[in-house]
Amino acid sequence: KQEVTQIPAALSVPEGENLVLNCSFTDSAIYNLQWFRQDPGKGLTSLLLIQSSQREQTSGRLNASLDKSSGRSTLYIAASQPGDSATYLCAAKTGNQFYFGTGTSLTVIP
Amino acid sequence: DTGVSQNPRHKITKRGQNVTFRCDPISEHNRLYWYRQTLGQGPEFLTYFQNEAQLEKSRLLSDRFSAERPKGSFSTLEIQRTEQGDSAMYLCASSLDTLAGYGYTFGSGTRLTVV
Repeated sequence: KQEVTQIPAALSVPEGENLVLNCSFTDSAIYNLQWFRQDPGKGLTSLLLIQSSQREQTSGRLNASLDKSSGRSTLYIAASQPGDSATYLCAAKTGNQFYFGTGTSLTVIP
Repeated sequence: DTGVSQNPRHKITKRGQNVTFRCDPISEHNRLYWYRQTLGQGPEFLTYFQNEAQLEKSRLLSDRFSAERPKGSFSTLEIQRTEQGDSAMYLCASSLDTLAGYGYTFGSGTRLTVV
């Protein structure tokens, strides 16, 4: 069974800092990997989707990388803002479902 | 199309009652998924449909849970004889899936509280 781990569990940074969130998965036979954002009590908002054949995807201040062979993905957030405060979840698709990590809770301090 | 819609947003019920949630996926998406998320955890897979066929169910989906997707459009998730352990956020997602795999679009979820 696919196991997804996210480190750190929580992160607090001052506004303007660049930061990296880490995601690791045990089964490298994934179709794709997706990063989501979740605000308290809300659903999930998709940030970036990386297909298994891709190495990275970029959207605005966000950049996600994927290294299938090592079972790792990172989400890089540039010039963090207080509005980036949320929980970030990564999910690896194996078979017919996504397997989620427990998330990284990010707080950006003004 | 405004995305995946879930109703109700919140549901408080007494233990032992039955509840039903509804999910309306993005219209052209052929796959629909149900996930459950408890506090501080990532979402866990419950079941998925391809069109109207329910193709996979998790062991988490006990016999008190049933899901349907009539005509391959909206889906309902029913929980019978609710227990306090059923309190969670129930998330629905849809995708237009091929073998290569598309990403999911999630709804806002239904938060269930069993008292």
